Amino acid sequence: AQTVTQSQPEMSVQEAETVTLSCTYDTSESNYYLFWYKQPPSRQMILVIRQEAYKQQNATENRFSVNFQKAAKSFSLKISDSQLGDTAMYFCALDNSGGSNYKLTFGKGTLLTVNP
Amino acid sequence: DAGVTQSPTHLIKTRGQQVTLRCSPKSGHDTVSWYQQALGQGPQFIFQYYEEEERQRGNFPDRFSGHQFPNYSSELNVNALLLGDSALYLCASSRGYGYTFGSGTRLTVV
Repeated sequence: AQTVTQSQPEMSVQEAETVTLSCTYDTSESNYYLFWYKQPPSRQMILVIRQEAYKQQNATENRFSVNFQKAAKSFSLKISDSQLGDTAMYFCALDNSGGSNYKLTFGKGTLLTVNP
Repeated sequence: DAGVTQSPTHLIKTRGQQVTLRCSPKSGHDTVSWYQQALGQGPQFIFQYYEEEERQRGNFPDRFSGHQFPNYSSELNVNALLLGDSALYLCASSRGYGYTFGSGTRLTVV
């Protein structure tokens, strides 16, 4: 069975600074996808960034980047130049269906607060 | 282009009752997945519907059932409600790869 662990229940950062959220996972599959989702108070899950396991290059989306360590099964999210609008719950998620898009396994989340 | 629409946004039910939640997928999407998110937890996969069939199911009892209609919209039914069923229920639609989530239905069982 696949598992996703987020060990930081809460984090805070000052506006314009950089913060890193941690995630570890476990799967026996070799072909899988990892995601970071953001859930603001509006409750809608918003995709932040996606990483394919077969790609060695770390994914980047504007101010968001990941550090994907496949051997260590680690997938951290770095947010640069933090903005007040980044305040939200962040969930790490795993799809180990080999890209068949069957289901996501989520961690428990990290509540990120960006302070002015 | 409308995203995923869920209804109702909130509802309160009494223990033992039955409830139906509805989801309209994003335009062009043909697959619908349902997730249960308890307070302070990450979402948990309930099941997924594709071509009007349940394609995969998570670890949820048979009290949880669903349906997908020819227009790809979907319903989640929960029978014999328990206090522990209180949660945010999220619908996610997809076609090929990539999910779009709705804003969920907050169910409170009293």
